Amino acid sequence: NAGVTQTPKFRVLKTGQSMTLLCAQDMNHEYMYWYRQDPGMGLRLIHYSVGEGTTAKGEVPDGYNVSRLKKQNFLLGLESAAPSQTSVYFCASSPPGLLIQGHNEQFFGPGTRLTVL
Amino acid sequence: GDSVTQMEGPVTLSEEAFLTINCTYTATGYPSLFWYVQYPGEGLQLLLKATKADDKGSNKGFEATYRKETTSFHLEKGSVQVSDSAVYFCALKRGGSEKLVFGKGTKLTVNP
Repeated sequence: NAGVTQTPKFRVLKTGQSMTLLCAQDMNHEYMYWYRQDPGMGLRLIHYSVGEGTTAKGEVPDGYNVSRLKKQNFLLGLESAAPSQTSVYFCASSPPGLLIQGHNEQFFGPGTRLTVL
Repeated sequence: GDSVTQMEGPVTLSEEAFLTINCTYTATGYPSLFWYVQYPGEGLQLLLKATKADDKGSNKGFEATYRKETTSFHLEKGSVQVSDSAVYFCALKRGGSEKLVFGKGTKLTVNP
């Protein structure tokens, strides 16, 4: 099992350009998440998905869009990149189970370092 | 809303020193509590977790006890190694919620 993979690992964009980050997981997980990590801010949830074809906003969704057309993939799009979106982006997935108990851990990808000039 | 507060770092220790990283939380109900570790250049990995009051999570010599009365989940290790140098995140997850709430992270550096 590869676990959670992210592409690309690094990317430099100019302000106004667009791009898509791809997250893939081979663990048959229902839930998938996109976070951004900034110094001193911890991880902040951008968008998440509780199943194929569903998406929901997290804490900092503005400027991003997502799609979950296949269960194993979760795409994060930046339509018009801004310098404030310079960050490290992490994808995570979580297995099915008893959601009501809150036990399920999240498995993280290695991250994508994005710089917007 | 739910929140997690961790002690601010960075924390610098010598090898074999005792480690404590404080974590307190605010949440409705009885959340599950987690410690994640992020080694340089990598994603987060689950270190340990506890799902109910008085549970003790442990892994790789690290321990944390879920204290409902003090709403705390402090991370401890009796003797740290250089390889423990990383950023440590405390997090909570309420039952019925799909989302983890993270603290801001504490950077630990262990010197030989």
